[in-house]
Amino acid sequence: AQSVTQLDSQVPVFEEAPVELRCNYSSSVSVYLFWYVQYPNQGLQLLLKYLSGSTLVKGINGFEAEFNKSQTSFHLRKPSVHISDTAEYFCAVSPLGGSEKLVFGKGTKLTVNP
Amino acid sequence: GAGVSQSPSNKVTEKGKDVELRCDPISGHTALYWYRQRLGQGLEFLIYFQGNSAPDKSGLPSDRFSAERTGESVSTLTIQRTQQEDSAVYLCASSLQASSGNTIYFGEGSWLTVV
Repeated sequence: AQSVTQLDSQVPVFEEAPVELRCNYSSSVSVYLFWYVQYPNQGLQLLLKYLSGSTLVKGINGFEAEFNKSQTSFHLRKPSVHISDTAEYFCAVSPLGGSEKLVFGKGTKLTVNP
Repeated sequence: GAGVSQSPSNKVTEKGKDVELRCDPISGHTALYWYRQRLGQGLEFLIYFQGNSAPDKSGLPSDRFSAERTGESVSTLTIQRTQQEDSAVYLCASSLQASSGNTIYFGEGSWLTVV
């Protein structure tokens, strides 16, 4: 079985500041890793995913994440945030060779203040 | 269609009534998923379909919950004798096929409130 822990339920930052949203996972098998974003009153949208290869993954809207196998982490970063990045961010994993069923963390609410 | 479509977008129902939630996946997507998102919680997997078959129903919380899919297209999630703890957003998602690593695309959800 897999589990995902997002250590921060809420992260407030000022506009143009850097941000890191933390994600750790637990799994007895290798996994694929995902970050999804949910803007207010909208569905979830894929930001980026790690399947294999380079451990640094770049996604949409200037976000990137780094897979660290030894620390079982997949933290999301952005060097300079905008007001429009205010949203809830979900980390998720799915086991390799599985059905693509995603196991999600509880989410991190990012609030960007002017 | 252009995206995953869900209806109704909002539903208020009385405790004990049955509700049906509908999902239209992206055209050509053979895999379809249902998730539940309760307030302040992450997404809970309910069930997925590959074609019209449901290989994994492990997330359905009780026998009051059921789902079906027809024509490898539309799916309906039915909750019988609703309880207040069923209040949540029910999210449908689809992908080309049920294979780990594929991107899955979510609808905007159906907000269910049981009063």
